Amino acid sequence: GESVGLHLPTLSVQEGDNSIINCAYSNSASDYFIWYKQESGKGPQFIIDIRSNMDKRQGQRVTVLLNKTVKHLSLQIAATQPGDSAVYFCAETNTGRRALTFGSGTRLQVQP
Amino acid sequence: DGGITQSPKYLFRKEGQNVTLSCEQNLNHDAMYWYRQDPGQGLRLIYYSQIVNDFQKGDIAEGYSVSREKKESFPLTVTSAQKNPTAFYLCASSIRDEQFFGPGTRLTVL
Repeated sequence: GESVGLHLPTLSVQEGDNSIINCAYSNSASDYFIWYKQESGKGPQFIIDIRSNMDKRQGQRVTVLLNKTVKHLSLQIAATQPGDSAVYFCAETNTGRRALTFGSGTRLQVQP
Repeated sequence: DGGITQSPKYLFRKEGQNVTLSCEQNLNHDAMYWYRQDPGQGLRLIYYSQIVNDFQKGDIAEGYSVSREKKESFPLTVTSAQKNPTAFYLCASSIRDEQFFGPGTRLTVL
C-alpha cells in the first residue's frame, strides 16, 4: 500500500455500532491476508486471517471479506467497543515470499 | 511464557554510532523478521531469515545488518550508514504464514 504520511485515514464510530475497515492490496499473486490491530506504542496484534481460496471468514465479533477480482479486503467489527480503538493494518503475502507487505493503516476511533 | 521479546524498549543514539537491537523468541519458530515503522505509516520490511545462518534483504535493507547464529535470536544493527534511523522497530517470527510481533524498540537519534 502507499504511505499516507502522518495522516492516517480515520474511521469514527459510536460504541455499539458495526465498523467496516477497507484495504486495497496490490499483488495479484498474494494468497494469504492478515488483519492486525496496533495500539499506540505496541507491536501489531493478530486479529484474523484468510487464504485466497476463501472469500469470507468469521471470528469472534470480526469478519474478513476478500474480493480477489478487485483486490479488496475488508474487516468488519460487530458491536464496536472502546477497546477496539487502535490502528488496523491489512497485510498480504504469498507462500513463496513469506514476508508480509503491509498497507498504510486505518485509525479506528470509538466514541462512547 | 512463550513469546517474542525485544530490548531495549527505548534507545537513544548519537549520530555516527552503530546500535544493535535485540530480538529473542522462544516459540521455536524458524522464520524471523525485522520491520521499521515511521509515524502514521505501515510497516516496511528490513531483513528476514527463514532459517539459522541464512537471511535475505527486505525492501529497505540499506544501512542495516543482521545475523542469525541461533534459532532464537535475530539481532538488528543500525549502522551509521542509515541516514534516517529514528523510527519504531518491530521484530516478528513465524512458523508458517502468521507472524507474531514483539513489543518493539523505539530508536531516537540525537
